Amino acid sequence: DMKVTQMPRYLIKRMGENVLLECGQDMSHETMYWYRQDPGLGLQLIYISYDVDSNSEGDIPKGYRVSRKKREHFSLILDSAKTNQTSVYFCASSRGSDYTFGSGTRLLVI
Amino acid sequence: KTQVEQSPQSLVVRQGENCVLQCNYSVTPDNHLRWFKQDTGKGLVSLTVLVDQKDKTSNGRYSATLDKDAKHSTLHITATLLDDTATYICVVGDRGSALGRLHFGAGTQLIVIP
Repeated sequence: DMKVTQMPRYLIKRMGENVLLECGQDMSHETMYWYRQDPGLGLQLIYISYDVDSNSEGDIPKGYRVSRKKREHFSLILDSAKTNQTSVYFCASSRGSDYTFGSGTRLLVI
Repeated sequence: KTQVEQSPQSLVVRQGENCVLQCNYSVTPDNHLRWFKQDTGKGLVSLTVLVDQKDKTSNGRYSATLDKDAKHSTLHITATLLDDTATYICVVGDRGSALGRLHFGAGTQLIVIP
C-alpha cells in the first residue's frame, strides 16, 4: 500500500526547544510538502521540495526549515519552538495532480 | 484573502439522509479540484478529482460536480452512514504539475447521527 508516514504522531515541546518532524514516502514521488492545519483555516504551505536538496519556501516559512537528503525523506525543523507553532503538521507527496497525505503530527508547544 | 470558500461550515444529518456540500473558489488558473475526507485526527483521503470545464464524477455514494465558469463545485453524499462523519475539504490546484500550488478550503464538518 503506497503511503506517506509521519513521525511522531504526537509531540509536546517546551518553548525554545528544537523540534524535528519526520516524513517518509514509498512512492518515489519527487515532490514533497509540509503543511500546517489550524482550526477554521485551510492547510497552509510551509515548504515544498521538488527533489533532493531542492527546496522552496511556501506561504508561511518563517520559523521553519527543512531538509531533504534522500528522495523518500523530508524533515521539518523548528529551531527554538514558539507557542504559536502549536498545530497539526501534515506532510504530503505528489506526482502531477495525484497527492498523498500523511496522518499528521500533532505538536503542542508549551 | 481566502480563495476557497466552503459551505456550510458544519452540517448535521440523520443516517440515511442525503447531503450536499458546496465549494466556491476564486483560484486562477483552476487546473483541477479535489475533494478530501478527513476523519478526526487523521490525514486527508482523496474522494474524487474533477478536471474538465464542466465535470461530473461518481465514486460509490459520493458524487461531485465542477463548473469552472462559475468556479463552483458540489459534493453529494447519498444515504449517509455514521462513518461519513468527518470533515470534507475542497482543494483547488492551479496546475497539474509540481510547479502548481494547492489552495485549501477550511472544510465542512459533517456529523451523521443515528
